[in-house]
Amino acid sequence: DTAVSQTPKYLVTQMGNDKSIKCEQNLGHDTMYWYKQDSKKFLKIMFSYNNKELIINETVPNRFSPKSPDKAHLNLHINSLELGDSAVYFCASSQRLAGGVDTQYFGPGTRLTVL
Amino acid sequence: DAKTTQPNSMESNEEEPVHLPCNHSTISGTDYIHWYRQLPSQGPEYVIHGLTSNVNNRMASLAIAEDRKSSTLILHRATLRDAAVYYCILRDPYSGGGADGLTFGKGTHLIIQP
Repeated sequence: DTAVSQTPKYLVTQMGNDKSIKCEQNLGHDTMYWYKQDSKKFLKIMFSYNNKELIINETVPNRFSPKSPDKAHLNLHINSLELGDSAVYFCASSQRLAGGVDTQYFGPGTRLTVL
Repeated sequence: DAKTTQPNSMESNEEEPVHLPCNHSTISGTDYIHWYRQLPSQGPEYVIHGLTSNVNNRMASLAIAEDRKSSTLILHRATLRDAAVYYCILRDPYSGGGADGLTFGKGTHLIIQP
């Protein structure tokens, strides 16, 4: 069973389009995340979300918005795509353990190419 | 999350132990030391974490210096499948409610020679 899954795996689109990436976790975790990995392989947190709170990295443009229909899903919507949005996007989830420590489980990634 | 420093790359031979160092001189008393790795074309994967004592699990061991300003991830018998980028990350569970995501550095690119 896949713990954290993302669709699609690859997404090629034109500048200016609006697109969504879906993420689902079957681990029963209460917190989900979106990360971006650019062409230089730097991984950066974009959003973290649980049913109480959305934390947004201040460097993320407001063209990006996470939407959570339920606890197991956190989708990423991107409006007016730009060339610089080309990257690999990773979804992750976590559950806080005793002592407050959490370990994150990552999805396989979605490679977005904006032409 | 506090800053960590790791070598850009390391090379080892298959079936030999690998010691991956991490410096974190500004670590706070509540920071846990986490290690993740990212295999080629995959998402990051949790490896191990610890606070003060050395830790072992099925994947690796984590040796933490007494002053906690450095740590070492130990792969006891590296295989070709261990070739990946290894990230050392400090994480304070009491800061940001643990919901503010991981702060990845550049990590160490581990190359395993057959």
